[in-house]
Amino acid sequence: NAGVTQTPKFQVLKTGQSMTLQCAQDMNHEYMSWYRQDPGMGLRLIHYSVGAGITDQGEVPNGYNVSRSTTEDFPLRLLSAAPSQTSVYFCASSYDLGDRRGSGANVLTFGAGSRLTVL
Amino acid sequence: QQQVKQSPQSLIVQKGGISIINCAYENTAFDYFPWYQQFPGKGPALLIAIRPDVSEKKEGRFTISFNKSAKQFSLHIMDSQPGDSATYFCAASTAGNTPLVFGKGTRLSVIA
Repeated sequence: NAGVTQTPKFQVLKTGQSMTLQCAQDMNHEYMSWYRQDPGMGLRLIHYSVGAGITDQGEVPNGYNVSRSTTEDFPLRLLSAAPSQTSVYFCASSYDLGDRRGSGANVLTFGAGSRLTVL
Repeated sequence: QQQVKQSPQSLIVQKGGISIINCAYENTAFDYFPWYQQFPGKGPALLIAIRPDVSEKKEGRFTISFNKSAKQFSLHIMDSQPGDSATYFCAASTAGNTPLVFGKGTRLSVIA
């Protein structure tokens, strides 16, 4: 049982390059999300998905695209990398606690993170 | 607009002392308040959580105190140990498929 797996762990890009951060979970969680973590800024939500085929924007979605074709995978795409996207990226999945109807984002399991540097 | 305000940004506590981290919120629709712990180089992990229908929840040395009228909640770490040195995030969410909103984090250092 691997939990949430993120690849790559480290990546250096040049401005304007594109790349995809991969995220996979094997816990059959419906809810998945991407956060970025910057010093002094905490965890900021980029995009999230409440199930296969459904995605929505978070607090800082600009410059990022996502898709959710399967329950297991939730890749994050940078179409044209900018230095402002230098950050540590975390993917998370979650399950419903079960004590509150309709919730789905309560107990997050995070991946180990992907450190991205854009030069 | 920051929905969950966390303080202090950093905290240094002597071994055996009490660590206290505070969070405040404005949205009265929040009904779930977790704390996450993050060690260097790792992803955050759920530490403890509380619902607004109780004023306190304790798990070992970790306690959440919740003040609904003041819209504040805090994490207390009793008998703090060097192994507790980490970044702590408070968070909140509402009912429905809405994502967690995180505070900006507190970097705790417990020194011997």
